[in-house]
Amino acid sequence: TQLLEQSPQFLSIQEGENLTVYCNSSSVFSSLQWYRQEPGEGPVLLVTVVTGGEVKKLKRLTFQFGDARKDSSLHITAAQPGDTGLYLCAGEWGTYKYIFGTGTRLKVLA
Amino acid sequence: DTGVSQNPRHKITKRGQNVTFRCDPISEHNRLYWYRQTLGQGPEFLTYFQNEAQLEKSRLLSDRFSAERPKGSFSTLEIQRTEQGDSAMYLCASSLRVALGTGDKTEAFFGQGTRLTVV
Repeated sequence: TQLLEQSPQFLSIQEGENLTVYCNSSSVFSSLQWYRQEPGEGPVLLVTVVTGGEVKKLKRLTFQFGDARKDSSLHITAAQPGDTGLYLCAGEWGTYKYIFGTGTRLKVLA
Repeated sequence: DTGVSQNPRHKITKRGQNVTFRCDPISEHNRLYWYRQTLGQGPEFLTYFQNEAQLEKSRLLSDRFSAERPKGSFSTLEIQRTEQGDSAMYLCASSLRVALGTGDKTEAFFGQGTRLTVV
């Protein structure tokens, strides 16, 4: 059972297009993190959302935490080839586990 | 560089051999995690340390896998009698839990990983 489900699993778009990635759970998280990972490297933290309904912006990336703190979304405006990578949501579940979503592999074509 | 450091970056070993990986966390972080990641998948949780205490282990961590964190600083992950199915990226992360008014926040920072290939 996956506690954090991401959709879509794969996404291939043209440069300049917009996209949204979703992270859903049936559990409440005190905070959620979004990471981007490139092949052969470790995940790099992009943002943390803490408050239900919170919206954070990081240049062309907009992150939102659901009101009930069970889901989150990542919206990319005018995607660029440099945005290509594996996007992961993550959060602390239970007392000690820090778990990851299933991942969304994004490819932006020039 | 004060980030999480993992060594080696790559390891090729023959089936049946033992391997050990090392992780040096960010110095002020008391929490340390190990993950296994296969191609195209999200990292799978293996184990967690708070200081030197190993508080959580996934069922993925079979009796061939063991992890230590002596003195609550660096950690090692050992795989005994490696199998081809152990081939994966092994990631280490460290974190500090921050108490906020609305709840705690945990942000994990990762090393670059150790890619294991068992031939």
